[in-house]
Amino acid sequence: AQTVTQSQPEMSVQEAETVTLSCTYDTSESNYYLFWYKQPPSRQMILVIRQEAYKQQNATENRFSVNFQKAAKSFSLKISDSQLGDTAMYFCAFTPSSSYKLIFGSGTRLLVRP
Amino acid sequence: ETGVTQSPTHLIKTRGQQVTLRCSSQSGHNTVSWYQQALGQGPQFIFQYYREEENGRGNFPPRFSGLQFPNYSSELNVNALELDDSALYLCASSVGGRTSYEQYFGPGTRLTVT
Repeated sequence: AQTVTQSQPEMSVQEAETVTLSCTYDTSESNYYLFWYKQPPSRQMILVIRQEAYKQQNATENRFSVNFQKAAKSFSLKISDSQLGDTAMYFCAFTPSSSYKLIFGSGTRLLVRP
Repeated sequence: ETGVTQSPTHLIKTRGQQVTLRCSSQSGHNTVSWYQQALGQGPQFIFQYYREEENGRGNFPPRFSGLQFPNYSSELNVNALELDDSALYLCASSVGGRTSYEQYFGPGTRLTVT
């Protein structure tokens, strides 16, 4: 079975500091995609960052970057210079390359303190 | 370019009733996926429609059904509502019947079954 595990139900960080959210996944697929989605209180899921498994280089999007360790099946999200607007639920998600569905983790609630 | 919209925003139904939720895709997208997000959990895939045909289905009973229209908007129908159907229902639009690239999520419909 393909699963995504987020072991940190809640995290807290001071504004302007750096925080890392953890994610591990289990699959026998060799080609797949990984995502981090943000869900603020408005409920709308927003894509934060996307990583293709065949790319060794870690994806970055402004203040957001990932540490993708394919052998360890680990995909952590680092948020630098945290801002109050980063307060949200963060979901790690996985999809095999030929699939029609996203498999989500249970989420990490991030609180950025002023 | 309009985003993904869903209606209604909130809905309260009684156990045993039927409900229809609606989703309008982002312009240019021909694929709609539906997810159920129970409180405090990650979204679970219900099914996907691609070019008006069901393209894949998650582990949900047949009383969850859907439609996709020629303009690529979509409906999710749930018959014989149960208390456990209370959740946030998210739709996401994309292209090509695959999830490798970004799915654009709507704000969701909060369904409460009493």
